[in-house]
Amino acid sequence: QVQLVESGGGVVQPGRSLRLSCAASGFTFSSNGMHWVRQAPGKGLEWVGNIAFDGSSEYYADSVKGRFTITRDNSKNTMYLQMNSLRAEDTAVYFCARYVGDMGLDHWGQGTLVTVSS
Amino acid sequence: EIVLTQSPGTLSLSPGERATLSCRASQSVSSSHLVWYQQKPGQAPRLLIYGASSRATGIPERFSGSGSGTDFTLAISRLEPEDFAVYYCQQFDTSPWAFGQGTKVEIK
Repeated sequence: QVQLVESGGGVVQPGRSLRLSCAASGFTFSSNGMHWVRQAPGKGLEWVGNIAFDGSSEYYADSVKGRFTITRDNSKNTMYLQMNSLRAEDTAVYFCARYVGDMGLDHWGQGTLVTVSS
Repeated sequence: EIVLTQSPGTLSLSPGERATLSCRASQSVSSSHLVWYQQKPGQAPRLLIYGASSRATGIPERFSGSGSGTDFTLAISRLEPEDFAVYYCQQFDTSPWAFGQGTKVEIK
């Protein structure tokens, strides 16, 4: 069955960097675009960005553009979110999700918590 | 940038009642690119409806979606205890692929 497992979250100081991973299994990872979505404590869902199935293109929310970078390694069935210049407002649970064309995001990981605090 | 506005913010209903949730887009969205998710506390979102009106795998028939252009609706015909949750719409027409702010369906 499809499984997505995020890792790499933790507590980090403002201005520092953190890299999240999303390990995929149970499907042909290289066939699907992938997305990152975050949720600040007690708030709604915020789309962060996505990467094409082959890594050829990425798109980002304005709130993270220039600071966050999404990459993937299809040989390792893993997607990454490199987060630089972190701010307090980046504190959130970060979810990765599989994109299936017009079906949207059909499978999600359990999320990993990132806390930006001094 | 397309902005999705969901209403109401909170819907207080009793089990067995019908729920009607609205998602309004700031500009026209292709029906093929409008989806709905359900999220329960401490859980990841779950895909409910895609293409504005198609139920995802395993979603009960009491959930239905409709709409076109800028106005979309999620309806739950008879609320079951497990349906009390937060519901989000999302569009995949134009990046950024933003979510609506969510509608919480709570027990009255």
